[in-house]
Amino acid sequence: AQSVTQLDSQVPVFEEAPVELRCNYSSSVSVYLFWYVQYPNQGLQLLLKYLSGSTLVESINGFEAEFNKSQTSFHLRKPSVHISDTAEYFCAVTIYNQGGKLIFGQGTELSVKP
Amino acid sequence: SQTIHQWPATLVQPVGSPLSLECTVEGTSNPNLYWYRQAAGRGLQLLFYSVGIGQISSEVPQNLSASRPQDRQFILSSKKLLLSDSGFYLCAWGPSAYEQYFGPGTRLTVT
Repeated sequence: AQSVTQLDSQVPVFEEAPVELRCNYSSSVSVYLFWYVQYPNQGLQLLLKYLSGSTLVESINGFEAEFNKSQTSFHLRKPSVHISDTAEYFCAVTIYNQGGKLIFGQGTELSVKP
Repeated sequence: SQTIHQWPATLVQPVGSPLSLECTVEGTSNPNLYWYRQAAGRGLQLLFYSVGIGQISSEVPQNLSASRPQDRQFILSSKKLLLSDSGFYLCAWGPSAYEQYFGPGTRLTVT
């Protein structure tokens, strides 16, 4: 069975510092990978996705993630965070040809302090 | 552009009462539709998904059910709520199997 592990439940950082949110997955078949962001009391927003092609994917607000097949990881990074990046971040995988069912990690709460 | 609506936004219901949460999508046709539940401090759990009218797949056995009476309408129901049903319920739609866009959610508190 497939699973997703987000290694850090909470990540506190100072504004303008770099951050990495870690995500590892377990699957015996090919997967597609996603990062979602959830602001308080809101739904999830798709941040970025890896389906195929370049293993480095970027979002419009400065986040990037790299798919590493050998390490089964899809870590999310940002070189300089802002207060507005404070939110919960979810890593998710879906398996090809299984109706798009997303399997989520437990989430990482990113807290950016001034 | 496509939009997804959920209502109500918040709901407080006593144990044993029925439940009906509604999700509708605008601006697309024949979307994949999903219901997720997010319990406090936990990740998201897929409850149901649908690839077409009347086609429902259940992921977790429980006292909830789902229906898709129209192409862009997805309903989550229960005949008798349990305390453990409390949580944040999220509906999502997907233009394909590999993209999902979430609604604003319904906060359900069972007392």
